[in-house]
Amino acid sequence: DAKTTQPTSMDCAEGRAANLPCNHSTISGNEYVYWYRQIHSQGPQYIIHGLKNNETNEMASLIITEDRKSSTLILPHATLRDTAVYYCIVRVPGATNKLIFGTGTLLAVQP
Amino acid sequence: NAGVMQNPRHLVRRRGQEARLRCSPMKGHSHVYWYRQLPEEGLKFMVYLQKENIIDESGMPKERFSAEFPKEGPSILRIQQVVRGDSAAYFCASSVSGTGGNEQYFGPGTRLTVT
Repeated sequence: DAKTTQPTSMDCAEGRAANLPCNHSTISGNEYVYWYRQIHSQGPQYIIHGLKNNETNEMASLIITEDRKSSTLILPHATLRDTAVYYCIVRVPGATNKLIFGTGTLLAVQP
Repeated sequence: NAGVMQNPRHLVRRRGQEARLRCSPMKGHSHVYWYRQLPEEGLKFMVYLQKENIIDESGMPKERFSAEFPKEGPSILRIQQVVRGDSAAYFCASSVSGTGGNEQYFGPGTRLTVT
């Protein structure tokens, strides 16, 4: 599975958009980009995933660059409850579906 | 639709005892994954099971740990002769399939404390 690089931490003002970047320059053509988050001590929460096209759901938007070497997770209106560690993971779903979690980005939403 | 359920939520065991952690996947999900999070560390994959089969156990410690997902009932992660280093949060996840863009949904975890 391709490695990802994320900033260690980010701050965001409550009510503003949070843009979390992820670099995955070695991603291969059939690898998906997944985003999960873990709010303190809770189980990880699936947010969104995509292959090539931008994706949007009720939680967030995922913007994938045309060359697929990087992506951005966008939380349109961050709230205090969005404070969490956000993980960007790239993988090929197949015989083994294990998620390899890196260190992620600690997003701190400030009041 | 109930999410992934894990029990117990907290488990205290003395060194040398056995720990049994249970995971009930989401309805309609037949793929189960176990992850471990040691204190102040990241999540690590342990094992991936599909009904009655272990698909990938590359993250399981070689000794004392075992997992099963029987045809009926929850998945069980069993730790024999626990040691203090086994103290961690154990998370279970499930998915509807093992192919395509399948997402994994996690349970709330079981916090194991070995005294």
